[in-house]
Amino acid sequence: GEDVEQSLFLSVREGDSSVINCTYTDSSSTYLYWYKQEPGAGLQLLTYIFSNMDMKQDQRLTVLLNKKDKHLSLRIADTQTGDSAIYFCAESSYGYSTLTFGKGTMLLVSP
Amino acid sequence: ETGVTQTPRHLVMGMTNKKSLKCEQHLGHNAMYWYKQSAKKPLELMFVYSLEERVENNSVPSRFSPECPNSSHLFLHLHTLQPEDSALYLCASSQVELGATFTGELFFGEGSRLTVL
Repeated sequence: GEDVEQSLFLSVREGDSSVINCTYTDSSSTYLYWYKQEPGAGLQLLTYIFSNMDMKQDQRLTVLLNKKDKHLSLRIADTQTGDSAIYFCAESSYGYSTLTFGKGTMLLVSP
Repeated sequence: ETGVTQTPRHLVMGMTNKKSLKCEQHLGHNAMYWYKQSAKKPLELMFVYSLEERVENNSVPSRFSPECPNSSHLFLHLHTLQPEDSALYLCASSQVELGATFTGELFFGEGSRLTVL
């Protein structure tokens, strides 16, 4: 079956950049996503990238996609304490209205 | 009203109880989902109701039973659960168009935290 793998934990200092990495196995993925889950809350879509793109920038967020290596990353510039959350990588395939999620990466931002 | 509302937020039940989780979406979407979130595991898709069809993950035990009476409401009926079923159960909704690529924007509720004793 399809797998989405992420590291479980990342710790950075406020003001630094954070890079969260993800690998996936499904070569037919059409969209790849980053969701954010704050404590006590459900998941919220942060950004997504279509599989024929290799980069997408949205304010402090930069998504990089290496389709050959099936590697996705999320870079958060000038990380703030409010960015502390769990970040989930997910993918979907054409024709399926469901997502496959990773285990999530807990980002801890210290002052 | 928030987009996707789940009740109860917390539930403690014994293994012989019967209970239900409820989800309501106010976004006019036509697809609803149940996901299970356990520590250190990927989010697990349990059930999908999309375009009036039900899709289920065959690995979900029969002690979990979904019900979707209309496009705005979704239930998860729980019966004879096990302690390993303790988890956060997340409901989500989306808009799905026939023949169109799914853009993957799911709108999640805050979850129902279930503890089975």
